[in-house]
Amino acid sequence: EDKVVQSPLSLVVHEGDTVTLNCSYEVTNFRSLLWYKQEKKAPTFLFMLTSSGIEKKSGRLSSILDKKELFSILNITATQTGDSAVYLCVPSGTYKYIFGTGTRLKVLA
Amino acid sequence: NAGVMQNPRHLVRRRGQEARLRCSPMKGHSHVYWYRQLPEEGLKFMVYLQKENIIDESGMPKERFSAEFPKEGPSILRIQQVVRGDSAAYFCASSPTPEGELFFGEGSRLTVL
Repeated sequence: EDKVVQSPLSLVVHEGDTVTLNCSYEVTNFRSLLWYKQEKKAPTFLFMLTSSGIEKKSGRLSSILDKKELFSILNITATQTGDSAVYLCVPSGTYKYIFGTGTRLKVLA
Repeated sequence: NAGVMQNPRHLVRRRGQEARLRCSPMKGHSHVYWYRQLPEEGLKFMVYLQKENIIDESGMPKERFSAEFPKEGPSILRIQQVVRGDSAAYFCASSPTPEGELFFGEGSRLTVL
């Protein structure tokens, strides 16, 4: 059965801290892994990873995929209050995307 | 390039009425996905459509729910004889390829009184 497990489920940090969000998955016919940020509205796209070991960066965010261990991490450095959101790890297979409940991050000023 | 457009953004219906939610994908996108989200819960897959075809509707309740994506016009998610449990946010997402990046609309929030 396809599944995605994110940890921790929730996290509270202070501004300036660095956080690492974890994602493990099992998906039949794996194609890619996507990361989304969801505040009180629609998810917004962060990264799409298809190859192992290649880090993708966007500002203070970075992510990497390990297709052998079926694992991905999302790092956020120098966190800001605007980073408070639910972060979704979404592996995709043939014609499908698997959504979990995500990691809820709260950044305190 | 306009994003994924959903309407209405908010819809209130009484039990037994019908709800129709519309989704216009991004230009050039022929793959549409519908998801339902209850408060404090994750996105639950409902249906995946390509133009004029339902590819996977395994997440859709067998009764009262239907979806279409006609050759012309938006994709429509139709809920007949709504019940209170149908109250949720319904998100549409589109993609240019079957397994590409998903672009989400702002969602339609259905409230059933």
